[in-house]
Amino acid sequence: GQQLNQSPQSMFIQEGEDVSMNCTSSSIFNTWLWYKQDPGEGPVLLIALYKAGELTSNGRLTAQFGITRKDSFLNISASIPSDVGIYFCAWGGGADGLTFGKGTHLIIQP
Amino acid sequence: DAGVIQSPRHEVTEMGQEVTLRCKPISGHNSLFWYRQTMMRGLELLIYFNNNVPIDDSGMPEDRFSAKMPNASFSTLKIQPSEPRDSAVYFCASSLGYNQPQHFGDGTRLSIL
Repeated sequence: GQQLNQSPQSMFIQEGEDVSMNCTSSSIFNTWLWYKQDPGEGPVLLIALYKAGELTSNGRLTAQFGITRKDSFLNISASIPSDVGIYFCAWGGGADGLTFGKGTHLIIQP
Repeated sequence: DAGVIQSPRHEVTEMGQEVTLRCKPISGHNSLFWYRQTMMRGLELLIYFNNNVPIDDSGMPEDRFSAKMPNASFSTLKIQPSEPRDSAVYFCASSLGYNQPQHFGDGTRLSIL
């Protein structure tokens, strides 16, 4: 079966630092999505990517759809306390709809 | 604009009781998804509907779980009888199409004692 991996599982960083996380798969996908979940709330869509090589920004967030269509990364520049949460990648495009990664827990120390 | 609305937000009940979770998707969205989130397993897809029809229920843990979507604006997830291992946060999400970005509700935190 397909292998999916989101890393790192957790990150402890200082406020102001840049953050980078990624997702990789053993299969090719047509869609990569990045979500953020705050405590006690549902995941909220941050960025959607639909084309290999696509690079998209949303404020301090930047995400890219890998050329091979098997990976994606999310960068957060100059982190602030409200960036704390769980970040999920999601992929799909076939008959099975979307599948979510296990998430990256981001913890920011002031 | 109203997002996905779930109720109740919290449910605490004793094992063996029937539990019904409710979801109102975003108007105009054709696909609806039910997920379960736990620390151990993360976000697991339970079932999804397209145009009110269940398409894939392979994620439903067992026969105690059932889901319905009687119309485009309402869906239920029922657990009968409930067990302590069903304790989790249950999310409903909707999207324009089954592989389009999904919009989540705030979830129902379920505790089975």
